[in-house]
Amino acid sequence: DAGVIQSPRHEVTEMGQEVTLRCKPISGHDYLFWYRQTMMRGLELLIYFNNNVPIDDSGMPEDRFSAKMPNASFSTLKIQPSEPRDSAVYFCASSLTSGERPQYFGPGTRLTVT
Amino acid sequence: QQQVKQSPQSLIVQKGGISIINCAYENTAFDYFPWYQQFPGKGPALLIAIRPDVSEKKEGRFTISFNKSAKQFSLHIMDSQPGDSATYFCAATYTGRRALTFGSGTRLQVQP
Repeated sequence: DAGVIQSPRHEVTEMGQEVTLRCKPISGHDYLFWYRQTMMRGLELLIYFNNNVPIDDSGMPEDRFSAKMPNASFSTLKIQPSEPRDSAVYFCASSLTSGERPQYFGPGTRLTVT
Repeated sequence: QQQVKQSPQSLIVQKGGISIINCAYENTAFDYFPWYQQFPGKGPALLIAIRPDVSEKKEGRFTISFNKSAKQFSLHIMDSQPGDSATYFCAATYTGRRALTFGSGTRLQVQP
């Protein structure tokens, strides 16, 4: 059974460019999370969705960041314009509503903004 | 209130030894406490989790001890192996806010 799928795995872009990160959650999961990992700030939540609806976007740094979930099997995180301080590993995770609610993480997208 | 404090930052253990990582939290609404293991270049993977109505949970060589009154929980890795060398994160969440609040991570190195 496929886990959470993220693309691209690596992205190198120049400051000012638009970056789009993609995520396919585990089939049947109704929660989707975007996290960012940096050396300075560790793992931190950006935004999460329940049944495709954004629930908590308090971690989104600023208006340059936006996230969408047009359907249950796809989500995007967009940064426009990108800045060097956005360089990080971005993880997508998904989980079910019921039960022990473990979150399963994708392999991440390593973003480098030069 | 949302913070989870984790220690130590790094840990070196001899093969066969016990690795202990500690976490403390403030928000009493937290009701689910997972531990994640992360290898370089990979996403965090769920290792073991506990709810506050249980004081201890064991899965193989991994044990979580939970002290509700002290608002602390810890991960014990028995018979530590070189393959356990990774970064470990404690985390917490609650029903009203499903996002994980992570500790700062512990880099474990098990020497052969």
